[in-house]
Amino acid sequence: GQQVMQIPQYQHVQEGEDFTTYCNSSTTLSNIQWYKQRPGGHPVFLIQLVKSGEVKKQKRLTFQFGEAKKNSSLHITATQTTDVGTYFCAGPKAGTASKLTFGTGTRLQVTL
Amino acid sequence: NAGVTQTPKFRILKIGQSMTLQCTQDMNHNYMYWYRQDPGMGLKLIYYSVGAGITDKGEVPNGYNVSRSTTEDFPLRLELAAPSQTSVYFCASSYTEYGYTFGSGTRLTVV
Repeated sequence: GQQVMQIPQYQHVQEGEDFTTYCNSSTTLSNIQWYKQRPGGHPVFLIQLVKSGEVKKQKRLTFQFGEAKKNSSLHITATQTTDVGTYFCAGPKAGTASKLTFGTGTRLQVTL
Repeated sequence: NAGVTQTPKFRILKIGQSMTLQCTQDMNHNYMYWYRQDPGMGLKLIYYSVGAGITDKGEVPNGYNVSRSTTEDFPLRLELAAPSQTSVYFCASSYTEYGYTFGSGTRLTVV
């Protein structure tokens, strides 16, 4: 079946440092979505990318969708303590647009 | 606008007991989903529904059942609780494939 892997599993940074998480799917995706889950909370939708090679920015967050639509990345510039949480990518399974397979997640810890 | 509401928030079950996790949404979304998340892990799809009266299995459906009699409600039934079902359960809904809205989750412990 479809597998979506993320690396790294965990990263600990000092506040102000940059952070990147990478997402790789075993199959081509029709779109890629990113979610953030704060400790003890529920996943919250951040963004969706649809086009091959697409890049979107949300303040300090930059999202990219690979040319082959099998990989994606999330880059955070100058991390803040409010960025703490687990970041999940998710993409629709082949053959269905609405059913997402979630990645394994990257947990980000930010300290002062 | 409440979004997706899950009840209860916490529950402890004994092995062999049954329970229903409730999920309701007020956004008129056609698509609804149940995921489970084990500690430190990702989300695994249990069941999903593309509309009232239509349900289908996800990756890990064994030990669970669902029904979708209305657009708003998508309850998840555990018939014979087992320790392997200790997890956090999230219900989610979406209009199409764009952006799921998650409930706050039900933390279930089976002892």
